[in-house]
Amino acid sequence: ETTVTQSPASLSMAVGEKVSISCKTSTDIDDDMNWYQQKSGEAPKLLISEGNTLRPGVPSRFSSSGYGTDFVFTINNVLLGDEGIYYCQQSDNVPWTFGGGTKLELK
Amino acid sequence: EVQLKESGPGLVQPSQTLSLTCTVSGFSLTDYSVHWVRQPPGKGLEWMGVMWSGGSTAYNSALKSRLSISRDTSKSQVFLKMNSLQTEDTAIYYCTRDGERAFDYWGQGVMVTVSS
Repeated sequence: ETTVTQSPASLSMAVGEKVSISCKTSTDIDDDMNWYQQKSGEAPKLLISEGNTLRPGVPSRFSSSGYGTDFVFTINNVLLGDEGIYYCQQSDNVPWTFGGGTKLELK
Repeated sequence: EVQLKESGPGLVQPSQTLSLTCTVSGFSLTDYSVHWVRQPPGKGLEWMGVMWSGGSTAYNSALKSRLSISRDTSKSQVFLKMNSLQTEDTAIYYCTRDGERAFDYWGQGVMVTVSS
């Protein structure tokens, strides 16, 4: 089973700043990493899928990079509406596993 | 339009069996796989298992002895059954579609509380 370690657990940012979230996997997963945003009281929303592919309709402020075991999710020019919890999730092997989440708060 | 909707009891007694239904529309269960993911209150996401489009299943090893996933393609429904429930199983249960190996559509979730 691939363990996904996500950091930091929480972030407090000002509007306009750059957000970076890291996920490290215990096995090599190529680029089989997905990223989700979960706002309070809602189901998660897929933002970026394998191969660092931005999903349709997702603003280009969101991006990701990485291959193998180290991955980074970035939000450029963060907005108030970006508050929520962000999760990474590997889809290289079953069981598909999630990182522990990063709670993003806007000051 | 792709939609998934979970249904089932909101309250289950300890040691009893949970039965949930995921009713989908806008796609066929023979074309797309459907997964179950749960989230305890205030905690992260846990993958539970999957009904692959071909009809086979896979489960989280931590739940495998208690969990069963099945489907009725004619009704566009996927079923989750988990026995021997404990308070730690209190969570929001989601069904979600597997779109090219990512969870691209989610149901609204159903809150299940395990309590006597």
